[in-house]
Amino acid sequence: GQQLNQSPQSMFIQEGEDVSMNCTSSSIFNTWLWYKQDPGEGPVLLIALYKAGELTSNGRLTAQFGITRKDSFLNISASIPSDVGIYFCAGRTGNQFYFGTGTSLTVIP
Amino acid sequence: DAGITQSPRHKVTETGTPVTLRCHQTENHRYMYWYRQDPGHGLRLIHYSYGVKDTDKGEVSDGYSVSRSKTEDFLLTLESATSSQTSVYFCAISESGRNGYGYTFGSGTRLTVV
Repeated sequence: GQQLNQSPQSMFIQEGEDVSMNCTSSSIFNTWLWYKQDPGEGPVLLIALYKAGELTSNGRLTAQFGITRKDSFLNISASIPSDVGIYFCAGRTGNQFYFGTGTSLTVIP
Repeated sequence: DAGITQSPRHKVTETGTPVTLRCHQTENHRYMYWYRQDPGHGLRLIHYSYGVKDTDKGEVSDGYSVSRSKTEDFLLTLESATSSQTSVYFCAISESGRNGYGYTFGSGTRLTVV
């Protein structure tokens, strides 16, 4: 299957700090998605990106579809305790989405 | 929240026994998916369905079968469970498979094979 590499694997930050994470692949994708997963629950869609270079925001979250179509970035501004969770990227090629291994975010009050 | 429920939420079973997991949706979406989630691997597609009685394999389909006799139900069966199938299983639904709108996930089934 397709390999999506997310970094960092985990982050420990102070409340109020900004967060950056990324997802890279050796393959080209037509769509990039970012999900958040809370413990014991399924992933929830945060942002969807459809065109290379696209920059999309959802509240304090901003994501970008990389120009090469092989990467995507997610930024969270002014983190709050409820941002805690695992963030997954997903890239679409053909009929399937492929998921990254996740970035675990811990926000220290 | 989207109407998607998985059952059971937790199950412990013995090696060699058959196990069936159920995904039920009330959204009338055409596409349904089964993923497994394991540490270090993220979410990996097992099987998916693009309509009643229409299914196809994902990247980790060995040891699993699926059935979809009604739009709202997608069943995942482990014919003879093995310890390597201990995982968290997620069902997802999508209105369209190709439009990139993304999936809506269920809350997961935690399966332990002992």
